[in-house]
Amino acid sequence: DQQVKQNSPSLSVQEGRISILNCDYTNSMFDYFLWYKKYPAEGPTFLISISSIKDKNEDGRFTVFLNKSAKHLSLHIVPSQPGDSAVYFCAASAWGSNYKLTFGKGTLLTVNP
Amino acid sequence: ETGVTQSPTHLIKTRGQQVTLRCSSQSGHNTVSWYQQALGQGPQFIFQYYREEENGRGNFPPRFSGLQFPNYSSELNVNALELDDSALYLCASRSGLAGESSYNEQFFGPGTRLTVL
Repeated sequence: DQQVKQNSPSLSVQEGRISILNCDYTNSMFDYFLWYKKYPAEGPTFLISISSIKDKNEDGRFTVFLNKSAKHLSLHIVPSQPGDSAVYFCAASAWGSNYKLTFGKGTLLTVNP
Repeated sequence: ETGVTQSPTHLIKTRGQQVTLRCSSQSGHNTVSWYQQALGQGPQFIFQYYREEENGRGNFPPRFSGLQFPNYSSELNVNALELDDSALYLCASRSGLAGESSYNEQFFGPGTRLTVL
């Protein structure tokens, strides 16, 4: 069973526009959520995170929103840049799991110039 | 500050063989986790080592085993390789401290691409 779902395998946006990547989870024990970015031939790189006690966290062009009642989170990138083109993974962790991460399948974001 | 390094970069093995993958953690990090990323999937947690002891394991059979050394580098060993073991194997290290910084400051290596024929 997939506890973290990213239902869009790919997303294409124009440079300067907003990119919105979505993630759903099923495990109500998850209390910390992260987004990673991955370029080919590199390991995932931490982007931004949010604790379940918050509903929004912002870092520069990146904002993560958490809707606990819907078990849904989203990553907004504004404005999108061609260098943002990569695979984005949503990950979640539960308190007491020793920081074990459960990942979604990823969304390939392409930002067109 | 040296990041997480993994070796080898690529590896080809045949079914039934054994393989050892290596990971050097980032300086100052005493916790190492291993993940398997199959094609088209997200990384899946295999196990974690903290101060040379396994302290967490995912849903992987016992033929997946590991070690952590006093310098906190780590090995992942897979016995009796199967075709489905073909994947990218990622190593991640972190400081082992509690709290959000331990999540946010977990760094992944570039991975080892294992192909089983």
